[in-house]
Amino acid sequence: AQSVAQPEDQVNVAEGNPLTVKCTYSVSGNPYLFWYVQYPNRGLQFLLKYITGDNLVKGSYGFEAEFNKSQTSFHLKKPSALVSDSALYFCAVRDFNQAGTALIFGKGTTLSVSS
Amino acid sequence: DSGVTQTPKHLITATGQRVTLRCSPRSGDLSVYWYQQSLDQGLQFLIQYYNGEERAKGNILERFSAQQFPDLHSELNLSSLELGDSALYFCASSVTVGGNTEAFFGQGTRLTVV
Repeated sequence: AQSVAQPEDQVNVAEGNPLTVKCTYSVSGNPYLFWYVQYPNRGLQFLLKYITGDNLVKGSYGFEAEFNKSQTSFHLKKPSALVSDSALYFCAVRDFNQAGTALIFGKGTTLSVSS
Repeated sequence: DSGVTQTPKHLITATGQRVTLRCSPRSGDLSVYWYQQSLDQGLQFLIQYYNGEERAKGNILERFSAQQFPDLHSELNLSSLELGDSALYFCASSVTVGGNTEAFFGQGTRLTVV
């Protein structure tokens, strides 16, 4: 079965420091991977995706993610964290096990950036 | 603002009742998805429609049903509600049914069953 795992429930980082939010996946075939962010009382906002090509993907708000096929990982990164980056982050993989194109989400990682 | 509109934002209802959640996708998007977010289950895919036709089903209970209308808006109907149905229900839309296109989410409807 296809799945994604976010091994950390919470990540704490100081403002100005680099941040990494981890994601590993398990799929048969080539994965389509996505990162979304959810702010309190808001919907999910798309950050970036990996479909094919360059393993380093750049997205919104200065975020980037590195696709690593050998480690089946798709970690989200940012060189310098902002307090406003504090939110809930979801990694997701496209579910190709059925006719549709729904996403399978990880459980989410809460990022807390302190000033 | 994602361009996906969901109404109502909040809904409080009693057990055994029926409710309808409404979603208007982004202009031009043909595909609509419904997801349920709860503390214990996380984000779960319920159902997908594409241009009026059901495309895929996820973990949707038989008490729940959905449809997509000719103007592409969608409704999720929840009946015989139970306490455990309390959750945040999201609608998302995407322009195609292709696997490489991202979906854009509405702000959700928070359903509380009492």
